[in-house]
Amino acid sequence: GESVGLHLPTLSVQEGDNSIINCAYSNSASDYFIWYKQESGKGPQFIIDIRSNMDKRQGQRVTVLLNKTVKHLSLQIAATQPGDSAVYFCAENRLPNTGNQFYFGTGTSLTVIP
Amino acid sequence: DGGITQSPKYLFRKEGQNVTLSCEQNLNHDAMYWYRQDPGQGLRLIYYSQIVNDFQKGDIAEGYSVSREKKESFPLTVTSAQKNPTAFYLCASSARANEKLFFGSGTQLSVL
Repeated sequence: GESVGLHLPTLSVQEGDNSIINCAYSNSASDYFIWYKQESGKGPQFIIDIRSNMDKRQGQRVTVLLNKTVKHLSLQIAATQPGDSAVYFCAENRLPNTGNQFYFGTGTSLTVIP
Repeated sequence: DGGITQSPKYLFRKEGQNVTLSCEQNLNHDAMYWYRQDPGQGLRLIYYSQIVNDFQKGDIAEGYSVSREKKESFPLTVTSAQKNPTAFYLCASSARANEKLFFGSGTQLSVL
């Protein structure tokens, strides 16, 4: 069935290294994707988004890449810091839909090793 | 300071009891949502509202009810019909439908 999923449930990186978190989606009609960061016991925090008419979008220390050919989304975090430790998940806005239906992956837990 | 406020942070429900989770936003957003988060699972949509006095069921609406009498407020009631209510509940809003969601800090509901 259709799903929004992540390749790896956990990821550990050294402080200062770059992190790459992946997300696969299966609906080629999806046109909008969002990455969220969630710290323990808190609500998800918006990081960056991208629409399907783009391949790449950059923010502060973060880059999102969209490969529509293989239906793959990635989040790159540059110079990872201890404060980046959290669960990261992607959200997919599938079309067609009759409401604001975002579908969320289960998340990847990122641990930054000092 | 604009944002989404959820209360309480922690809530306990006795068997047979209805409980209401509060969600208020001052972002002037049209759309509001309630999600349920269980360990190891993605967020699942309970209810959403795109405009005042209108709301729609999401994927797991059974055992829940909502109201949208004001643009700023979207309370969620967990009824006694919800047999497995223990979860982290997240309220979100967006300026309009199909735009990025902004989340509150969540309410952890547990059963006594």
